[in-house]
Amino acid sequence: RKEVEQDPGPFNVPEGATVAFNCTYSNSASQSFFWYRQDCRKEPKLLMSVYSSGNEDGRFTAQLNRASQYISLLIRDSKLSDSATYLCVVRALTNAGKSTFGDGTTLTVKP
Amino acid sequence: GAGVSQSPRYKVAKRGQDVALRCDPISGHVSLFWYQQALGQGPEFLTYFQNEAQLDKSGLPSDRFFAERPEGSVSTLKIQRTQQEDSAVYLCASSFPGLAGARSPETQYFGPGTRLLVL
Repeated sequence: RKEVEQDPGPFNVPEGATVAFNCTYSNSASQSFFWYRQDCRKEPKLLMSVYSSGNEDGRFTAQLNRASQYISLLIRDSKLSDSATYLCVVRALTNAGKSTFGDGTTLTVKP
Repeated sequence: GAGVSQSPRYKVAKRGQDVALRCDPISGHVSLFWYQQALGQGPEFLTYFQNEAQLDKSGLPSDRFFAERPEGSVSTLKIQRTQQEDSAVYLCASSFPGLAGARSPETQYFGPGTRLLVL
């Protein structure tokens, strides 16, 4: 069993749809949580950090449930440009050390 | 400003050949990470440096893999006697450690990767 698990998808949605991705992690000592976006044949780029109180950045909302060891990402009003793979990332420490990545969820937004 | 750069971008090696992959982190970034990403999977941690010190090499898959960062800036990942299963994208990331207790965790910035194909 992987330390960070995601539904691989693919998720195929029409423009304007709302889509949600889930992620579970097994290391209860994890301290930092992130969503990265990776376009085809490109490097991962930070989409947003995930805070315990939940946080929002425009059309993107991230939630963390430490008790259930569960992270989510909600994308509202999907755009064609949102098509990418979304990687859930967990780190044991806040300010140092390795990050553990899920295998990603692929999203395709269609016109 | 300049981001993380990696070279070469593409490398084709014959099985058994040694390869060296270079990473130039963002100037001033203390931490440097190497990851291996196989097709259809997320990046897997290989090793981590803070300045020139290699603090964690638990992800290196075998003793054929070696990484160094002798002056605390540029890093090289060397793979000896390459095998077909070494074919992957090798990603380098760098970060500047945040303050202890800071709410915002440090962000790792990735380079474009080196795509290694071992024939």
